[in-house]
Amino acid sequence: DSGVTQTPKHLITATGQRVTLRCSPRSGDLSVYWYQQSLDQGLQFLIQYYNGEERAKGNILERFSAQQFPDLHSELNLSSLELGDSALYFCASSVGRGRDTQYFGPGTRLTVL
Amino acid sequence: AQSVTQLGSHVSVSEGALVLLRCNYSSSVPPYLFWYVQYPNQGLQLLLKYTSAATLVKGINGFEAEFKKSETSFHLTKPSAHMSDAAEYFCAVSGNFGNEKLTFGTGTRLTIIP
Repeated sequence: DSGVTQTPKHLITATGQRVTLRCSPRSGDLSVYWYQQSLDQGLQFLIQYYNGEERAKGNILERFSAQQFPDLHSELNLSSLELGDSALYFCASSVGRGRDTQYFGPGTRLTVL
Repeated sequence: AQSVTQLGSHVSVSEGALVLLRCNYSSSVPPYLFWYVQYPNQGLQLLLKYTSAATLVKGINGFEAEFKKSETSFHLTKPSAHMSDAAEYFCAVSGNFGNEKLTFGTGTRLTIIP
């Protein structure tokens, strides 16, 4: 158990819908990262937050957005869902802003029908 | 920019045999390198990491990796494979300060033959 929690574990929805994925980092960690794992793209970085502020962005679609709240939990919002958005979404957390070890949550499996 | 190449998407070894999973990296800055393991339907678990200290890094479950700058490699080894080692293994390189994202390789699925 990494100490990073993600909810829900599974999510099944239809095309065009909007969903919210939630992540709680390890106690004391200030950085949160979101990654997408799919069969065709592999593990891809989406976005990083540090202490409530966006720090870095990867190839995140405009339909996707995220935020980190004052209690440091983070949410990833996916809207206008397409079949190709079906994937495993991981949240990771690390202590600070440096190249610290990232600890991963168990993931949320999103299926878009 | 950083990148990682994992040679061999599937590796099979007999129980008790040496495990060798290959990883080559490219990095514009001194690299921080990681190996993660993913068991079926689970998240990523850190096996070990290299952060510019000792070049031979020991991790959990008997795994170790050696950083070789001249070869830009960070191969993962275990002297004797166990059935419980069957999983997918990912090599990753960290970005530079300001964008500490992990860039992952495509992964190597390890199968252990009884």
